[in-house]
Amino acid sequence: AQSVTQLGSHVSVSEGALVLLRCNYSSSVPPYLFWYVQYPNQGLQLLLKYTSAATLVKGINGFEAEFKKSETSFHLTKPSAHMSDAAEYFCAVSTPTGYSTLTFGKGTMLLVSP
Amino acid sequence: DADVTQTPRNRITKTGKRIMLECSQTKGHDRMYWYRQDPGLGLRLIYYSFDVKDINKGEISDGYSVSRQAQAKFSLSLESAIPNQTALYFCATSDPGRGGYGYTFGSGTRLTVV
Repeated sequence: AQSVTQLGSHVSVSEGALVLLRCNYSSSVPPYLFWYVQYPNQGLQLLLKYTSAATLVKGINGFEAEFKKSETSFHLTKPSAHMSDAAEYFCAVSTPTGYSTLTFGKGTMLLVSP
Repeated sequence: DADVTQTPRNRITKTGKRIMLECSQTKGHDRMYWYRQDPGLGLRLIYYSFDVKDINKGEISDGYSVSRQAQAKFSLSLESAIPNQTALYFCATSDPGRGGYGYTFGSGTRLTVV
């Protein structure tokens, strides 16, 4: 079984401030981990993924995430928020096993103020 | 053309009506999925299919059925729609050899049951 917990349904930051969105996972086998972004009235876009290579993963739009096995975490960060980063962000987990599906967290809405 | 196409994009239907949401993909992948998105609940898996002859229930399959007409087509049906099935529905396809990180999502169908 696998699951994802995203801490904080809403996160507010000022433009230029650090963005930190938290994700903890549970998996009985080594996981694959993902962050997706959903802009208003749009579909899902993959930001970045961890698939057992480097633990620090860089994605699009200046985002990155670090896989920490000891903490079962995969937090998403960006050094400096832009207004255009305002969106909903989803953490998701799957596993390398042949019959795995993708399990999502409940999402975190990022609000960016001027 | 999009890799994963969902029709219709928006639909309003009445309680008790039967409705079908359609999904087609041009990725040539065997695996297809239906997810439902509700505010504050993230995306939850309704049904998935690992090949044309394989259909599996997901986390929230009650009240839904699916049909895998071909490798490229996977339809979701609500036999008798009810208001709490109002949601945003996503179809996805994935590459079976890549542990889930080859997911491609459609643009979604926004369904309102009145």
